[in-house]
Amino acid sequence: DAMVIQNPRYQVTQFGKPVTLSCSQTLNHNVMYWYQQKSSQAPKLLFHYYDKDFNNEADTPDNFQSRRPNTSFCFLDIRSPGLGDAAMYLCATSRERVRGNEQYFGPGTRLTVT
Amino acid sequence: GESVGLHLPTLSVQEGDNSIINCAYSNSASDYFIWYKQESGKGPQFIIDIRSNMDKRQGQRVTVLLNKTVKHLSLQIAATQPGDSAVYFCAGGSNYKLTFGKGTLLTVNP
Repeated sequence: DAMVIQNPRYQVTQFGKPVTLSCSQTLNHNVMYWYQQKSSQAPKLLFHYYDKDFNNEADTPDNFQSRRPNTSFCFLDIRSPGLGDAAMYLCATSRERVRGNEQYFGPGTRLTVT
Repeated sequence: GESVGLHLPTLSVQEGDNSIINCAYSNSASDYFIWYKQESGKGPQFIIDIRSNMDKRQGQRVTVLLNKTVKHLSLQIAATQPGDSAVYFCAGGSNYKLTFGKGTLLTVNP
């Protein structure tokens, strides 16, 4: 009965080699978020989709892109991963984009860059 | 901008004791605050939230206290159990956006 699913759970990529992380949800929520969480640090919001509307955070590097082909799926694309991009990437969803609306997190994908 | 931080990075308690995890915030504009629990290898899990116009909220075995005068938030866990061992994050929220604090690692000793 997993609600927010992330695949793969572990991903290894080479320096500069494009990589895509996947998130899917069974909640039919309107909003999907991507967070980056580096070791022993707090999650940091990269961007989110409200329905088909993409919303980038001001300090998210251009190297990070996202796609949402339908309500259920959202992808995180890292065009040229650097060593500093090694982190846990968390996907979250919420029903609406309003104050206090609970965000449901997936288990995360741990990305290693070699 | 929002800044949410924690006083202590680690906390070790005995099973059955009460735990108190603290958090300080700097931005008075936060509408609400949330505590999340993150177990190893998992995503953050919602525990409890509190709106900025409240000073206390209770859940099952957990209580969140908000002191807006000193911009301080705490999470109290009653009768801490081994299953409570995790990293606990506070997050300040304005509209949809959450800003997380650094996290406190809670270890429960049997």
